[in-house]
Amino acid sequence: AQKVTQAQTEISVVEKEDVTLDCVYETRDTTYYLFWYKQPPSGELVFLIRRNSFDEQNEISGRYSWNFQKSTSSFNFTITASQVVDSAVYFCALSEAEYQLIWGAGTKLIIKP
Amino acid sequence: EAQVTQNPRYLITVTGKKLTVTCSQNMNHEYMSWYRQDPGLGLRQIYYSMNVEVTDKGDVPEGYKVSRKEKRNFPLILESPSPNQTSLYFCASSSPLGGQGRTEAFFGQGTRLTVV
Repeated sequence: AQKVTQAQTEISVVEKEDVTLDCVYETRDTTYYLFWYKQPPSGELVFLIRRNSFDEQNEISGRYSWNFQKSTSSFNFTITASQVVDSAVYFCALSEAEYQLIWGAGTKLIIKP
Repeated sequence: EAQVTQNPRYLITVTGKKLTVTCSQNMNHEYMSWYRQDPGLGLRQIYYSMNVEVTDKGDVPEGYKVSRKEKRNFPLILESPSPNQTSLYFCASSSPLGGQGRTEAFFGQGTRLTVV
């Protein structure tokens, strides 16, 4: 069965600290996609990254980086030098079938000034 | 501008009064879905559609209906809303990329529904 676990319900850090959001997934398929989305207080869902199961390269985009490890079924997200604007709920999601995303419960990230 | 448009953004209704939440996308995407978001549960899929006239149940379809008569529109219908359907609803669309997989899902702005 497919499942996504975001064990951290809420994380609070002070601005400029680095923070890592954990995501562990379960799937029986060899072909799948992993996603991270951001949901700011305004409520919309903002796409951050898509990674397919055959591409284990880590990715960096500005202050954001993602570590994909198939051996541990994890797809962790790190924000370097966090800023108040990073405060949001972050979701990790898994897709095997093209028409469905399986979502984690989300991690609420609070960045204090 | 590529977008998914949901209406209304906010809705308060009474138990049993039929309602429709509209969803429209302008990207010619084949796949469309409805999700509901509840605290501590993330998003759960209600219904999905793989193309015109092709729809199927997601994980939590009870109490909902959908239709896909046109490629761009995918309305969500609550025939007899109940308080346990109070939630934040999102419509999403995506498209296959052939051998490269598929696009990320594009989401509407969300509809916050309260059933009293």
